[in-house]
Amino acid sequence: DAGITQSPRHKVTETGTPVTLRCHQTENHRYMYWYRQDPGHGLRLIHYSYGVKDTDKGEVSDGYSVSRSKTEDFLLTLESATSSQTSVYFCAISKQGSAEAFFGQGTRLTVV
Amino acid sequence: AQTVTQSQPEMSVQEAETVTLSCTYDTSESDYYLFWYKQPPSRQMILVIRQEAYKQQNATENRFSVNFQKAAKSFSLKISDSQLGDAAMYFCAYRTYNTDKLIFGTGTRLQVFP
Repeated sequence: DAGITQSPRHKVTETGTPVTLRCHQTENHRYMYWYRQDPGHGLRLIHYSYGVKDTDKGEVSDGYSVSRSKTEDFLLTLESATSSQTSVYFCAISKQGSAEAFFGQGTRLTVV
Repeated sequence: AQTVTQSQPEMSVQEAETVTLSCTYDTSESDYYLFWYKQPPSRQMILVIRQEAYKQQNATENRFSVNFQKAAKSFSLKISDSQLGDAAMYFCAYRTYNTDKLIFGTGTRLQVFP
């Protein structure tokens, strides 16, 4: 199995609170991605990173920020959580080009 | 911006039969990569097959093959001799050549009946 772990695996938080999800890899892959998965919407890209301190927005980036200060860690922050951000969040890592993307186990986030 | 469309939310097939899942995409790039991923109930994402846009030959992996029509921007997945273990969500994905941005479609849920 690819060395990628997400933490926490489950979280319940209140509306308006900040939340940070962590993705950690041991593969030294250059590319890291954050997705959210919702029924009927598939996997939607939130942000991705192509190197340390190099990030770009995806299709649903509003309300989310990311940071990558080390190759192995990619953090996703919900600045002020809303109920619409209740979802399952997946992190993925990859080398470039046609290389396979490896996914973490997912984080189920519930905002109440 | 690139988009990926899977127009079949659900499909079903009988065991040992063949099924085709559709995927279209929109892009202005000439070079890119296409993938099909499988997500069983465990939520694990598993790569099924990949295709480089510069290759004209359709990719094949055992019982899985694709029909890649570059001009039509179509990338369908054919599963032959379907098995019960093929039941899952299938996602089509597009990866840009220059930036390695990886985007997915909405998925097709495949049911396999004995």
